[in-house]
Amino acid sequence: AQTVTQSQPEMSVQEAETVTLSCTYDTSESDYYLFWYKQPPSRQMILVIRQEAYKQQNATENRFSVNFQKAAKSFSLKISDSQLGDAAMYFCAYRIYQGAQKLVFGQGTRLTINP
Amino acid sequence: NAGVTQTPKFQVLKTGQSMTLQCAQDMNHNSMYWYRQDPGMGLRLIYYSASEGTTDKGEVPNGYNVSRLNKREFSLRLESAAPSQTSVYFCASSDERTVTHNEQFFGPGTRLTVL
Repeated sequence: AQTVTQSQPEMSVQEAETVTLSCTYDTSESDYYLFWYKQPPSRQMILVIRQEAYKQQNATENRFSVNFQKAAKSFSLKISDSQLGDAAMYFCAYRIYQGAQKLVFGQGTRLTINP
Repeated sequence: NAGVTQTPKFQVLKTGQSMTLQCAQDMNHNSMYWYRQDPGMGLRLIYYSASEGTTDKGEVPNGYNVSRLNKREFSLRLESAAPSQTSVYFCASSDERTVTHNEQFFGPGTRLTVL
């Protein structure tokens, strides 16, 4: 069974600084997707960034980028120029490439932004 | 275009009572999902429906039943609520045929407390 592990329950960063959230996963599949979701206090799940395992290039979305290391099964999220609005729970998630889009989530990392 | 809607937003039940959580999506998506989120944990899949007329168990199906009423609606029923079912419940939808095929769209969640 696939598992996703986030080893940092909490992280904090100064506003305008850079922070990296860690995620590792376990799978025997070769094709899959990885995601980072943001959950602010409103509880709404918001997709931040996605990565297809067959793509070697790391995904970027504005201030958000990932470091995808397929052999190490590692998928970290880097947030540059942190803003107060980035404060939230962040979840790493995995799904297989084909078939039902069942997501497997990590335990989450609570990110605090210090002004 | 409301996306994914869930009712109710909050609910308190007594042990042994039954209730149905409602979910509807207006994006014409084929697939729908029910997750639960417990404190300190990521979302876990309860049941999913890959297409109208089909349902399958996820990671934590015990104590729940689902109905895919039509393409828009996917309900989750607790026949005899237990305190262990106290959680936040999220409905989501997706469709592999669309340009957003990688993404699951989530509802706002239902906070359920079982006393």
